[in-house]
Amino acid sequence: QVQLQESGPGLVKPSQTLSLTCTVSGGSISSGGHCWSWIRQPAGKGLEWIGRFHGSGYINYNPSLRSRVTISLDTSKNQLSLSLTSVTAADTAVYYCARDPENGVGNYMDVWGKGTTVTVSS
Amino acid sequence: DIVMTQSPLSLPVTPGEPASISCRSSQSLLYSNGHTYLDWYLQKPGQSPQLLISMVSNRASGVPDRFSGSGSGTDFTLKISRVEAEDVGVYHCMQGVQIPFTFGPGTKVEIK
Repeated sequence: QVQLQESGPGLVKPSQTLSLTCTVSGGSISSGGHCWSWIRQPAGKGLEWIGRFHGSGYINYNPSLRSRVTISLDTSKNQLSLSLTSVTAADTAVYYCARDPENGVGNYMDVWGKGTTVTVSS
Repeated sequence: DIVMTQSPLSLPVTPGEPASISCRSSQSLLYSNGHTYLDWYLQKPGQSPQLLISMVSNRASGVPDRFSGSGSGTDFTLKISRVEAEDVGVYHCMQGVQIPFTFGPGTKVEIK
């Protein structure tokens, strides 16, 4: 059974770069049959889709974050990564990674990590 | 971006009674391939979201059959035939027809 675990620094200073990883266990991240997404949720608010690494090798980003976000795959470590530059307090949120099992055919996410909380503060 | 709205935003329910949540999109979620890309997720207190229903009406593995989804175009509904205590949490709808995928604001279901 595939499981996802997000990790990263809980506290980031304003204007710095946030770097998170999502470790996949119980399956290969490079099987090519799945998409891997990042989603975030500020406390008490709704969910925001950040972007995804498509199993076909391309990446989709939310245009609202595109200039600051990079999503990548490290197949040797079975990890998905997120980099967000020039962070502000508005980037404070719980960050989730999630899997789309049908490589974008259905665009739904059937496995989610537990999330990691990131606070942007000096 | 496609804007998703939900109603109600808060839904007190009585165990054993039915419940219904509405989700509307600012554009049709019907894609040219004939599929409609609307999903429902439940986020139980203190947990990450879990998939309930994909593509309008397909229950995810392990989801009880008291949950059902329906709708087309821009109007969608999630129904719980008989609410149980374990169904409390925030229900999110999400559109996957257009990048960026977008979520509704969430409907908080709680026991009366």
